[in-house]
Amino acid sequence: SAVISQKPSRDICQRGTSLTIQCQVDSQVTMMFWYRQQPGQSLTLIATANQGSEATYESGFVIDKFPISRPNLTFSTLTVSNMSPEDSSIYLCSVDQGVGDTQYFGPGTRLTVL
Amino acid sequence: AQKITQTQPGMFVQEKEAVTLDCTYDTSDPSYGLFWYKQPSSGEMIFLIYQGSYDQQNATEGRYSLNFQKARKSANLVISASQLGDSAMYFCAMREDNAGNMLTFGGGTRLMVKP
Repeated sequence: SAVISQKPSRDICQRGTSLTIQCQVDSQVTMMFWYRQQPGQSLTLIATANQGSEATYESGFVIDKFPISRPNLTFSTLTVSNMSPEDSSIYLCSVDQGVGDTQYFGPGTRLTVL
Repeated sequence: AQKITQTQPGMFVQEKEAVTLDCTYDTSDPSYGLFWYKQPSSGEMIFLIYQGSYDQQNATEGRYSLNFQKARKSANLVISASQLGDSAMYFCAMREDNAGNMLTFGGGTRLMVKP
């Protein structure tokens, strides 16, 4: 399976600021996914990022709040803009590979907004 | 309606015993995949096991097996010989082929293994 890294692993931010999370994969992949996991909750898909096209956002998520870049087949960024305490979550990227298009996840970015 | 339901918010199991974590799903798509993930307190999501809707046999991966009952739309995870390191959150997830490659997750079950 792919090896996926994320930066930063955790951060504490002030409200009103923005944070960009990086996701790096050790092999070329077509699709990358960004998920949010609010405290005590399950994972929710934010958007799907394909290289060379705009990201596809799920209901409840908008590009102005969560802009995504996908400059090549091994890298993507997610920005959490104009943060509020409600954005405090774990943000995870994933890629699908192998049998059943299994999704493999990065280690996550634990974000706290004060 | 919830697509993935995990009815056990928390469970205890004695070390070395087997445990079953329940998962039921709802889909009208004839082609889908079911997945189980483990999330320890560190937050990472670890893939455990996959079952395709057309697979005739139940999936197994080491101490993990998936009890797939298609007619009942259930995909329970069985962990044999529980270890202390199995203590974690466990999530069931589904991918519907007609919905692209997105995963829909259940609410999770917290498993605690007692020594």
